[in-house]
Amino acid sequence: QVQLVESGGGVVQPGRSLRLSCSASGFSFSTYPLQWVRQAPGKGLEWVAVVSYDGRNEYYADSVKGRFTISRDNSRDTVYLQMSSLRPEDTAVYYCARENDFYFLDYWGQGTLVTVSS
Amino acid sequence: EIVLTQSPGTLSLSPGERATLSCRASQSVSSNHLAWYQQKAGQAPRLLIHGASSRATGIPDRFSGSGSGTDFTLTISRLEPEDFAVYYCHQYGRSPRAFGQGTKVEIK
Repeated sequence: QVQLVESGGGVVQPGRSLRLSCSASGFSFSTYPLQWVRQAPGKGLEWVAVVSYDGRNEYYADSVKGRFTISRDNSRDTVYLQMSSLRPEDTAVYYCARENDFYFLDYWGQGTLVTVSS
Repeated sequence: EIVLTQSPGTLSLSPGERATLSCRASQSVSSNHLAWYQQKAGQAPRLLIHGASSRATGIPDRFSGSGSGTDFTLTISRLEPEDFAVYYCHQYGRSPRAFGQGTKVEIK
């Protein structure tokens, strides 16, 4: 079955960097776009970024553009989110999700918590 | 950029009652690329509806979606105890993608 498992979250100081990973299984990873969505504590869902199936195209929310980079390694069935210049408002649970052939998100991981605090 | 506004913020209902949730877009959602997700505390979102009105695999038929253009509705015909949760609409027709702020369905 389709599984997405995020890792790499933790506590980080403002201004520092952190890289999240999302390991996939149960489907043909290299044929699907992948996305990151985050949720601040007690708040709603916020779309963060998407990477195309081949890694050639990326799109970002304005709130993270220039600070976050989404990438993927199709040989490892893994998508990454490199986060730099982190701010307290980046504190959230970060989910990775698969975008299917009809463009909606059909499978989600369980999320990894990032806390930006001094 | 499309902004989605959900109403009401909170819906207080009893099991067995009908729930009607609204999602309004600031611009027309292309090709009805509008989905609904359910989220319970501590869990990832769960896909309910895609393409504005198509139920996802395994979703009970008490959940239905309708609407087009800028106005969309999620209806739960008869609330079961497990339906009390937060519901989000999501447009995936254009980048940047967007979510509504959510509607909490709570037990009255």
